[in-house]
Amino acid sequence: QKEVEQDPGPLSVPEGAIVSLNCTYSNSAFQYFMWYRQYSRKGPELLMYTYSSGNKEDGRFTAQVDKSSKYISLFIRDSQPSDSATYLCAMSVSSNNDMRFGAGTRLTVKP
Amino acid sequence: GAVVSQHPSWVICKSGTSVKIECRSLDFQATTMFWYRQFPKQSLMLMATSNEGSKATYEQGVEKDKFLINHASLTLSTLTVTSAHPEDSSFYICSAPNSGRRSYEQYFGPGTRLTVT
Repeated sequence: QKEVEQDPGPLSVPEGAIVSLNCTYSNSAFQYFMWYRQYSRKGPELLMYTYSSGNKEDGRFTAQVDKSSKYISLFIRDSQPSDSATYLCAMSVSSNNDMRFGAGTRLTVKP
Repeated sequence: GAVVSQHPSWVICKSGTSVKIECRSLDFQATTMFWYRQFPKQSLMLMATSNEGSKATYEQGVEKDKFLINHASLTLSTLTVTSAHPEDSSFYICSAPNSGRRSYEQYFGPGTRLTVT
């Protein structure tokens, strides 16, 4: 079993839709949870991070962490074509590195 | 925000040759840098942690003699793929944490696509 599981998609939605991206994990020691966006042939860029359980909102993006279920989500409201990218979840035990990444979900938002 | 660059952005080499990839932090110092490898449609896999002034730390299963890492200064780390083979073809990405040194505050380079023929 992989430490971090993420459905690679692809996921295609119409412009304006609400997008839900999810990851599950097996290591209960993970404390830091991140979402990265990666455009084709580019390095990942940090979208959001959450420490421990709870919700965090930033504009059209909401990150949720449910440690009891070992499940994290990223919601994108009013999705735009510019949101088309691969979204990677990542998590770590401590505040130094050792991040473990999900496989990434490829999202396409159609105009 | 902080910027990390990589050079080259893509490289094609013949089997058996060596390739060097540079990772630079442009506007901050990084005593630690990380090297990842990403195969198509797969996750980023941490290969090694590069430490300025000391030996790199390699993840289990990564051959240290094949993937040579040198962190010569506070702004430069290099990854050399020695005696490259077609199975080494991948997307190599480096990252560096900012002064906060928290895992989520890493800045990724744009990646280097290596193709070994």
